[in-house]
Amino acid sequence: AQSVAQPEDQVNVAEGNPLTVKCTYSVSGNPYLFWYVQYPNRGLQFLLKYITGDNLVKGSYGFEAEFNKSQTSFHLKKPSALVSDSALYFCAVRDGPGNTPLVFGKGTRLSVIA
Amino acid sequence: DAGVIQSPRHEVTEMGQEVTLRCKPISGHNSLFWYRQTMMRGLELLIYFNNNVPIDDSGMPEDRFSAKMPNASFSTLKIQPSEPRDSAVYFCASSPRVAGGREQYFGPGTRLTVT
Repeated sequence: AQSVAQPEDQVNVAEGNPLTVKCTYSVSGNPYLFWYVQYPNRGLQFLLKYITGDNLVKGSYGFEAEFNKSQTSFHLKKPSALVSDSALYFCAVRDGPGNTPLVFGKGTRLSVIA
Repeated sequence: DAGVIQSPRHEVTEMGQEVTLRCKPISGHNSLFWYRQTMMRGLELLIYFNNNVPIDDSGMPEDRFSAKMPNASFSTLKIQPSEPRDSAVYFCASSPRVAGGREQYFGPGTRLTVT
């Protein structure tokens, strides 16, 4: 069965500093990995995905994520955090290319402090 | 593109009443998903459809919950009778007909409060 873990419930970072939100996954086949962001009182918004190819994936709002097969990780990163990045971030995985539902982590709340 | 549309955005009802949540997926998408989000349980998949056919409803918590997709552009999630523990934000998401990895597009959600 596929699963994803976000080990941190909360991440605090100062504005202008780099940020990392961690995600590890478990699948039986090839992983398709996704990051979503949820702002208050809004739906989940797609940020980026890894399907194949370069391990470093670039997405919306300056975010990027690095796929590491040996560590089964897909951490979300941004070189310089903004206060407006404060939100709830979800990592998700799908085992293979089929149109089955994504399996989501529990979410990590990111707070960027001015 | 209007995105996934959900209605109502907010619903307040009394215990025992029937509640119907509505979703219009993005045109051309062939899969539709219903999720529930609470502080305690996070984001839970309730049911999903491929080509209007329910594929997996194992996440539906009880027989009080039912979902339908009569055509490619409309789906409903019904709770009858509603209970206070059903209070949550309910999201609908749809997924496109593209090859490879397919992201899901979420609607704005319906915040349900059962008193």
